[in-house]
Amino acid sequence: SYVLTQPPSVSVAPGQTARITCGGNNIGSKSVHWYQQKPGQAPVLVVYDDRDRPSGIPERFSGSNSGNTATLTISRVEAGDEADYYCQVWDSSSDHWVFGGGTKLTVL
Amino acid sequence: EVQLVESGGGLVQPGGSLRLSCAASGFTVRSNYMSWVRQAPGKGLEWVSIIYSGGTTYYADSVKGRFAISKDNSKNTVYLQMSSLRAEDTAVYYCVRAPLYYFDYWGQGTLVTVSS
Repeated sequence: SYVLTQPPSVSVAPGQTARITCGGNNIGSKSVHWYQQKPGQAPVLVVYDDRDRPSGIPERFSGSNSGNTATLTISRVEAGDEADYYCQVWDSSSDHWVFGGGTKLTVL
Repeated sequence: EVQLVESGGGLVQPGGSLRLSCAASGFTVRSNYMSWVRQAPGKGLEWVSIIYSGGTTYYADSVKGRFAISKDNSKNTVYLQMSSLRAEDTAVYYCVRAPLYYFDYWGQGTLVTVSS
């Protein structure tokens, strides 16, 4: 089955840029989606189809996808961005939806 | 406004059964893919099952043969029938809408605890 690999944690100072990666075999050929989950809350979709943002998601959140790595970029990081972030794809070979293991973003 | 409200969670013994319900409002389940995603305590997200608008279903390998997803279009409700439950099925179960291959709306989740 398809595997997505994320770093367990990323730390960044307020106002800086955070980059969270999601690795997978030829992931550039798939559409990647990203979710933010704060403690005690349900996940929220922040980027879909590699780089599109749902309404209400700040422009500070952006995505890219190429080769074997997809990246969620959060510009001008704020304290409120501290959360767990998950990438997700649909694996057409198995008709399974797959999540990465999640990355905890800490704002220093 | 889109809303998803799960119910039916609780404590169940290993080997037991439980049925989760997800009442949808603000859209129709008839014309959407609907899915269940779970999260074990302190762990990441795990996709469980999906039902397409036409009724086709898919399952994660970890639950295939034990769980069954269904929907009642007249009640705008999705169900997850869980049987032969194991300790490792303990998790918060989220009902989610899948407009295509991602999940755009999530319920608040219902906790299932499998323990003797």
